[in-house]
Amino acid sequence: EDKVVQSPLSLVVHEGDTVTLNCSYEVTNFRSLLWYKQEKKAPTFLFMLTSSGIEKKSGRLSSILDKKELFSILNITATQTGDSAIYLCAVGAGGYQKVTFGTGTKLQVIP
Amino acid sequence: SAVISQKPSRDICQRGTSLTIQCQVDSQVTMMFWYRQQPGQSLTLIATANQGSEATYESGFVIDKFPISRPNLTFSTLTVSNMSPEDSSIYLCSVEDGGTTDTQYFGPGTRLTVL
Repeated sequence: EDKVVQSPLSLVVHEGDTVTLNCSYEVTNFRSLLWYKQEKKAPTFLFMLTSSGIEKKSGRLSSILDKKELFSILNITATQTGDSAIYLCAVGAGGYQKVTFGTGTKLQVIP
Repeated sequence: SAVISQKPSRDICQRGTSLTIQCQVDSQVTMMFWYRQQPGQSLTLIATANQGSEATYESGFVIDKFPISRPNLTFSTLTVSNMSPEDSSIYLCSVEDGGTTDTQYFGPGTRLTVL
C-alpha cells in the first residue's frame, strides 16, 4: 500500500520566519510528487516534482525532491499570515493517474 | 488550469437520506476524481470517473453507497446514499491536467453534515 507521511503535523511560527515542511513516501512505481495549499476547502496546486535535485520555486516558496532518500521538502521564506494553511503532499504512483495524499502539515503564521 | 464548480457548496442532511453532488468543468477532461476529506483528515480518493465507463472505486468504497455518473466530458455527479453521521465530510471533485501529468485541480468542495 502506498504511503505518504508529512511532518510536522502542525507548526506555529511568527511572521518573517522561514519554515521547512517535510514529506516522505513509500510507493510502487513513483511518477511524481505534488504539493498543495489548502486554506478552506479546495486544495490549490503549488508544485509538481519529478526529478531529483531540481528546485522548483515560486516567489517565497520552493521545493526539492530526493528520489534516492524518498522525500521532499517545501520551504517558505519570510512567512506571512496569508501563508497560514494546511500544506498537503501527494505522490503519483502506480498504473493510472492515482495520487495518494499525506495527512498534511497545518501551518499557522502569527503576527 | 480548468475552472471547476460544485453544487451544493454545503448541506445539512438527515440520517438515511441521500445527497447528489454535482461537479462541472469548463473544459473537456478525460478523468474526474472524487475525494472525501473527513474532519481533521487528509484527502481520500473515493473513485475515478471516466466518461462512458463505470467508475473505478478505491478499496473501502462501493457503488451502492457512492454511485457516480459521468454522462459527458465536462460533468459528473456523486451521490452519498443512505447517509449516516460518519458521512459528514468535505467532498471534492478534481480533474487531471490535460491527462499528461499527475497534477489535479480541485473544485471548491461540498461540506456535508449529517445529523
